[in-house]
Parts: sequence; structure tokens; C-alpha cells
Amino acid sequence: DAGVIQSPRHEVTEMGQEVTLRCKPISGHNSLFWYRQTMMRGLELLIYFNNNVPIDDSGMPEDRFSAKMPNASFSTLKIQPSEPRDSAVYFCASSLLGPQSGEKLFFGSGTQLSVL
Amino acid sequence: GEDVEQSLFLSVREGDSSVINCTYTDSSSTYLYWYKQEPGAGLQLLTYIFSNMDMKQDQRLTVLLNKKDKHLSLRIADTQTGDSAIYFCAETGTYKYIFGTGTRLKVLA
Repeated sequence: DAGVIQSPRHEVTEMGQEVTLRCKPISGHNSLFWYRQTMMRGLELLIYFNNNVPIDDSGMPEDRFSAKMPNASFSTLKIQPSEPRDSAVYFCASSLLGPQSGEKLFFGSGTQLSVL
Repeated sequence: GEDVEQSLFLSVREGDSSVINCTYTDSSSTYLYWYKQEPGAGLQLLTYIFSNMDMKQDQRLTVLLNKKDKHLSLRIADTQTGDSAIYFCAETGTYKYIFGTGTRLKVLA
């Protein structure tokens, strides 16, 4: 398996533009997580899906952020409109089972987002 | 609240031991984890410990868990330059992994 695949690897956009980040989890994994990493706030959980259903989106900063998981092999994180403070590295991670099972998280390589 | 704390930086000489510390908050966490992040990459699991254990050894890595104080540590023996990275501890909440701020380990040759 190729692991968790994220695209694009880098994204540079202007303030106000729509940004869509993509993630393909490891086949067979039923838990998917979106994280954001910044120097100031570290690694923040944005949203968690289990069996394609959003379980906890309390970490989504505001209405400008939305995430979908239309099927077990694909998820998107959309920011509309984007702002400079959204600049960060966005990670997608998946696991076979949930956190309490001891299953490890597999992370993608991340998307480096820069909003000018 | 949920707050996993780590010191931000650690610098050691090659060949010395490194000890990275972490305090967590959720005493119901079943597992506690250490992840490693190399530059430009995602996090990778290094090791984990079940909450009813107080020590786990895995080659150069030793994890110590003090449940009473909610303190977790990672010791890397014979630290190498390739160990330079950011190390995150993580606890498991009800349905999510909660990561610490990360400790940036710099190994001096």
C-alpha cells in the first residue's frame, strides 16, 4: 500500500480564493483525521470521520472550513474564502480502528498551504 | 481540559542519551504514544505504551509511564544525528488522539 496520499503537496493562493485539499486514506482504514500544524498552535485536530461519517468537527476553525468524505477512499478539506492566517501544514491521517484500540495513526506527507 | 505538554527544545551530543518528557491530562487514556516527525514529512509512530504498564523498551528506546503524575518520557540511548526531529507524545481521548506541542531534538555531532 502506498500509505496516506495527500494532494497537492504545496499550495500557494491569494486571500479570498477557494482552496481544496485532498486525501486518500489507506485502503481498509475506517477512521480519518484532518490536522493542522503551525508553529504557534502545534498540531490541532480539525475533524474526525469514522466510516465516512463526521464524528467530531469541533476543531474546525469557522464556517469557512468544510470537510467531506463521500466514500471510504477519499476526503476533502475546503477553505472558502481563504485568509493569510490559514497558512499552515495540513495533514490527513487514517487508522484501521479508533483511538482506544491502540491502532496507530498513519500520516500523509501533508499539504503546505500559503495564503498571500 | 485537554492539554498535552512538552518542552519545546532539546539539544544533545551524539552518543549521549536523550530524554524527552511529556505530561498529559486524560487519566482514562488507554494508550500513550510517541511519534517522530522528520523535516517535510508527516508523523510516524515510534512506540507506544499501554496504560497499565510503567515501562517499555524497544531497542534504543525506553518509555516510562508514571500514571500517578500523568508523566510520560521517552529515552533514546546512544543518540545519533539521524534522531534529529520533532517528537510528539499523544494520548487517546474518547475518540481522538491528542498531541502535545512537540519537542524539537537537535543532535550535535
